[in-house]
Amino acid sequence: NAGVTQTPKFRILKIGQSMTLQCTQDMNHNYMYWYRQDPGMGLKLIYYSVGAGITDKGEVPNGYNVSRSTTEDFPLRLELAAPSQTSVYFCASTDQQGTNTNTGELFFGEGSRLTVL
Amino acid sequence: DAKTTQPTSMDCAEGRAANLPCNHSTISGNEYVYWYRQIHSQGPQYIIHGLKNNETNEMASLIITEDRKSSTLILPHATLRDTAVYYCIVRVATGGFKTIFGAGTRLFVKA
Repeated sequence: NAGVTQTPKFRILKIGQSMTLQCTQDMNHNYMYWYRQDPGMGLKLIYYSVGAGITDKGEVPNGYNVSRSTTEDFPLRLELAAPSQTSVYFCASTDQQGTNTNTGELFFGEGSRLTVL
Repeated sequence: DAKTTQPTSMDCAEGRAANLPCNHSTISGNEYVYWYRQIHSQGPQYIIHGLKNNETNEMASLIITEDRKSSTLILPHATLRDTAVYYCIVRVATGGFKTIFGAGTRLFVKA
């Protein structure tokens, strides 16, 4: 299993440009998340999804859009990039926990570092 | 989802036990306590979780108070490689759930 894969790893955008951060997981997890982490800070939840076709806002959704057309993929769209969106973006996935064989832990990707100039 | 409160930073001598506290006074009966750590700018890594009983695995121990309003993550013999940010979160077990991270505790293990 590759786990959670994020692309691109690095990207520089100009103000006003748009882009999509890709996230795919091969663990057949229902739940997927997007977080952002500003320098020296904790993770902030942007959007999450509990299954294909279902998404919901997290703590900081403004300026972002998501879709979940398949179980595997959860892309994050940035429209009209702004310097305030300069951050490291992490995608994560998990499944329901509670059984002895499933801890319900979040599995994270390696992160996508985005700079908006 | 319940909020958690952790100290901003802590120091620990190498080889000694590191005890990281977490307050979750508004935790509800169906919420679990999870601990993660983040080394440098990598994605957070799962450490341990529990509901109400104390738990131990190869990485750490988790002590949850009887009223479940606080917990302590114990790294029994801290090494320099344990220097990281440690996050305590609470989460429901089933159903749709947000998973909110706080600011975490920055642990410095010193030689």
